[in-house]
Amino acid sequence: GNSVTQMEGPVTLSEEAFLTINCTYTATGYPSLFWYVQYPGEGLQLLLKATKADDKGSNKGFEATYRKETTSFHLEKGSVQVSDSAVYFCALSDPSNDYKLSFGAGTTVTVRA
Amino acid sequence: SQTIHQWPATLVQPVGSPLSLECTVEGTSNPNLYWYRQAAGRGLQLLFYSVGIGQISSEVPQNLSASRPQDRQFILSSKKLLLSDSGFYLCAWSGYGTSNTEAFFGQGTRLTVV
Repeated sequence: GNSVTQMEGPVTLSEEAFLTINCTYTATGYPSLFWYVQYPGEGLQLLLKATKADDKGSNKGFEATYRKETTSFHLEKGSVQVSDSAVYFCALSDPSNDYKLSFGAGTTVTVRA
Repeated sequence: SQTIHQWPATLVQPVGSPLSLECTVEGTSNPNLYWYRQAAGRGLQLLFYSVGIGQISSEVPQNLSASRPQDRQFILSSKKLLLSDSGFYLCAWSGYGTSNTEAFFGQGTRLTVV
């Protein structure tokens, strides 16, 4: 079956620090990959996505590259802000499994001023 | 454009009472629909998944049930709530067989069972 494993948190950083959240996956088909962000008290929002190998998704200074050879989709941001404090979820959608979504456990990121 | 509505936003219910949470999607057809639960400080737990009307997959055994009476309506129910049912419930939809298969989430329902 499909699964997503992401770095456990919580992660605490200072403003302007570099952020990496690791995500690896297993899938039976060729999945699309996503990062979602959840701000306190809210639902999840799509942050970025990549639909095929070597694609790079980017948004709000965040980037992630679909690496088929390492089955990874690590999230990075070069200089975080306090407003980036949130829970980040890695996810996949597998066309060989009715496009069913699978989520990682989430990583809580806190950025301090 | 597509929108998803989930209600109520907050709910406080006594133990043993029934539950009905509703989710509707607009602007798309034949979506995949999901119910997730998120306990405080925890990740997302997939509860139910539906690929079509009347087609419900239960991911976790529990005292909750789901129904999809219409293509874009997804209902989460319980006959008798337990304290352990407290949590943040999220409805989501995603496309099927298209290039846009990411999920779009409702704003969530915070359920407190007392």
